[in-house]
Amino acid sequence: DAGITQSPRHKVTETGTPVTLRCHQTENHRYMYWYRQDPGHGLRLIHYSYGVKDTDKGEVSDGYSVSRSKTEDFLLTLESATSSQTSVYFCAISGLAGGPSDEQFFGPGTRLTVL
Amino acid sequence: GEDVEQSLFLSVREGDSSVINCTYTDSSSTYLYWYKQEPGAGLQLLTYIFSNMDMKQDQRLTVLLNKKDKHLSLRIADTQTGDSAIYFCAETRRDDKIIFGKGTRLHILP
Repeated sequence: DAGITQSPRHKVTETGTPVTLRCHQTENHRYMYWYRQDPGHGLRLIHYSYGVKDTDKGEVSDGYSVSRSKTEDFLLTLESATSSQTSVYFCAISGLAGGPSDEQFFGPGTRLTVL
Repeated sequence: GEDVEQSLFLSVREGDSSVINCTYTDSSSTYLYWYKQEPGAGLQLLTYIFSNMDMKQDQRLTVLLNKKDKHLSLRIADTQTGDSAIYFCAETRRDDKIIFGKGTRLHILP
């Protein structure tokens, strides 16, 4: 299994507070992704990164920002959390030579509750 | 449509075959995937098929691809209780993003 961890695994916060979720990989994969998973919506891409300091928006990027200062870390920030951002957040990585070019490996998820 | 479509639920008796269907959108998709998500866990790649193939078999799993209809299916033979999970179909679009369906929850009946 690809070495990919997320922290924290669970977080409860209040509306209006900033929140940062961390994704850490030990596989030197080039691409990293943040998804949110909600009932009835499946997985939706928030932001992704194709290299250090190179990021781009996904389909539900409003209210989120990301940063990637090192290959191994991809941070997702909610500047001012809202209740609509209550969700399970998954980080994924891809770009390992030898596999299908777009195979993604997923982290264990972070359950975020915004009260 | 713009979405990857799959039915939300499927119930199958233990020992029977499960067939999960998916309709994707981009005829130029190079890879099509099936991911499995067990309760409380992230997604894991189950199998994939390259777009120039019609069928791929891997032990109890059979993937069928109909490019004309943009239809993908996953057949699980001799379904076991451990197969109970949510199964996501996914496609690679022209911009290299992977788009997931909403997932099919497979429920195994005793």
